[in-house]
Amino acid sequence: AQKITQTQPGMFVQEKEAVTLDCTYDTSDPSYGLFWYKQPSSGEMIFLIYQGSYDQQNATEGRYSLNFQKARKSANLVISASQLGDSAMYFCAMSSRNRDDKIIFGKGTRLHILP
Amino acid sequence: ETGVTQTPRHLVMGMTNKKSLKCEQHLGHNAMYWYKQSAKKPLELMFVYNFKEQTENNSVPSRFSPECPNSSHLFLHLHTLQPEDSALYLCASSQGSSGSTDTQYFGPGTRLTVL
Repeated sequence: AQKITQTQPGMFVQEKEAVTLDCTYDTSDPSYGLFWYKQPSSGEMIFLIYQGSYDQQNATEGRYSLNFQKARKSANLVISASQLGDSAMYFCAMSSRNRDDKIIFGKGTRLHILP
Repeated sequence: ETGVTQTPRHLVMGMTNKKSLKCEQHLGHNAMYWYKQSAKKPLELMFVYNFKEQTENNSVPSRFSPECPNSSHLFLHLHTLQPEDSALYLCASSQGSSGSTDTQYFGPGTRLTVL
């Protein structure tokens, strides 16, 4: 069965520091995608970054990068130079070709950026 | 124009009321989704429409009734709800191309309270 695990329910980080949010996944499908979403208190789920299982390089989008370690089945999100506006819930998610691309989500990590 | 819009943003209803949630996407996508997000639970997929055809009904009670009149609009009709149905209801859309992992883009959600 597919599963996403986020072991950090909450994190506190000083502004301007880098932060790593952990995500491990479990799947037997050879082709899958990994996503990170940000959910501020307003409720909207904002897509941040995507990594394909066959991508050779780690995905990067501005201050976001995905540390993809396929053998360990981990897909950690790294936010560089954190800002107060980064305070939000962060969800790791996965979809696969064998399951009609339905996305399953982890339970999320609440990130607090301290001034 | 925001990619995915949802109305209303907040809704309070009694258990005997009938109401509808509306979602509209301006991204030219072919797939649309309804999710339920309850407190301290992972996102739950409710319904999937691909090219206006319902392809997924994730054991959702019949008091929730989806409607997809075209690829840009998705409704969730609500009737005789229970207090435990109070949650954030999120709509999402994606390209919907079969056999590939595509990114879902979310609306801001409707926060529903059932009294």
